[in-house]
Amino acid sequence: DGGITQSPKYLFRKEGQNVTLSCEQNLNHDAMYWYRQDPGQGLRLIYYSQIVNDFQKGDIAEGYSVSREKKESFPLTVTSAQKNPTAFYLCASSIGKDRAYNEQFFGPGTRLTVL
Amino acid sequence: AQTVTQSQPEMSVQEAETVTLSCTYDTSESDYYLFWYKQPPSRQMILVIRQEAYKQQNATENRFSVNFQKAAKSFSLKISDSQLGDAAMYFCAYKYGGSNYKLTFGKGTLLTVNP
Repeated sequence: DGGITQSPKYLFRKEGQNVTLSCEQNLNHDAMYWYRQDPGQGLRLIYYSQIVNDFQKGDIAEGYSVSREKKESFPLTVTSAQKNPTAFYLCASSIGKDRAYNEQFFGPGTRLTVL
Repeated sequence: AQTVTQSQPEMSVQEAETVTLSCTYDTSESDYYLFWYKQPPSRQMILVIRQEAYKQQNATENRFSVNFQKAAKSFSLKISDSQLGDAAMYFCAYKYGGSNYKLTFGKGTLLTVNP
């Protein structure tokens, strides 16, 4: 089955530690995205990538980093510089940059809790 | 900057009845797309319906339809014959037609379906 997988489902981190969230897709999509969701908030864009080896900051990129070495993979690192990292993180992908109407497909999400 | 406003944090409906969720947006662009996403308790984001701004005809997907009022910048979602499985958080989202990268989300409306 084609889709987006995120791992782990739940992640606990001690303050001061970096942690990496995994996102893999087998939909052959060019574009991938990371969103953060907090209670009572909509989704906010952290980073996005339209092609391999290229990515751009979204609205709330501070304290986060990404890489896009392979088309299928877009891992997100939450660094110790992120002041309030406890949140639900969603990864998404879409077909390609020239087709603006295309929907974004979402993964099941990772719940990150800082202890 | 584009903004999306959902003025109803919570709504409830009786099973088999009809409910309308409100969404307004602010943009100076003429080329854009609007979406309704559903997030059930599993937290998996699912596309419900989408509307291209250049189309005057309102989109319909089975029991889901929209009332798109471009001049008023309003994009409401009507759910007919509500079912228990419709209970979820619903997010309205906007995408500028000039790029593929960014969805701007409202804060969501939590819909409860009463048996």
